[in-house]
Amino acid sequence: QVQLQESGPGLVKPSETLSLTCTVSGGSISSYYWSWIRQPPGKGLEWIGYIYYSGSTNYNPSLKSRVTISVDTSKNQFSLKLSSVTAADTAVYYCARYLREEDLIYGYYYYYMDVWGKGTTVTVSS
Amino acid sequence: EIVLTQSPGTLSLSPGERATLSCRASQSVSSSYLAWYQQKPGQAPRLLIYGASSRATGIPDRFSGSGSGTDFTLTISRLEPEDFAVYYCQQYGSSPPTWTFGQGTKVEIK
Repeated sequence: QVQLQESGPGLVKPSETLSLTCTVSGGSISSYYWSWIRQPPGKGLEWIGYIYYSGSTNYNPSLKSRVTISVDTSKNQFSLKLSSVTAADTAVYYCARYLREEDLIYGYYYYYMDVWGKGTTVTVSS
Repeated sequence: EIVLTQSPGTLSLSPGERATLSCRASQSVSSSYLAWYQQKPGQAPRLLIYGASSRATGIPDRFSGSGSGTDFTLTISRLEPEDFAVYYCQQYGSSPPTWTFGQGTKVEIK
């Protein structure tokens, strides 16, 4: 069974770069899409971006100028970098696998996030 | 950009009652792109429903999803104590490829 584990510093200073890694275990990172999602304290979920195992990416337009997601297939990991952080970036950060699954009968595709990491809290403070 | 609006914000019900949660999109959404998640305090979201109406693996049949176009519904037929949580709808937008979440509905014990 595939499991995801986020890791990285829990405290980042304002204006610095937040860096997190998600390690995939119990399965291969290949042939799937992988996402980062965050949740500020007491608030809802915000999608940050995704990467395909081949390296192609797409980001939330509201964060695009500050976000970089990369993948290391040899380590079965993918990573998030968010630059120029402020207190508004304080959140629980989740990594997740998203599936693009074809319905073989009707020929359309389902999209959903089926496996999530437990999340890691990142606080931006001096 | 498609906006998902969930209602009500909070639903106060007793165990055994039926819960009906709404997710309305600002423009038409493909049903195959609509999913529902459950989140309990201190936990990651858990996939309940994908394709608007298909239950994920291991999800009890008291959870059901329906809807099309701009209006989608998550129904919990009889609330169990473990169902009290926050529920989010989510849609995948293909042009450009993006993901959007609703703001969530909290189902609390009355």
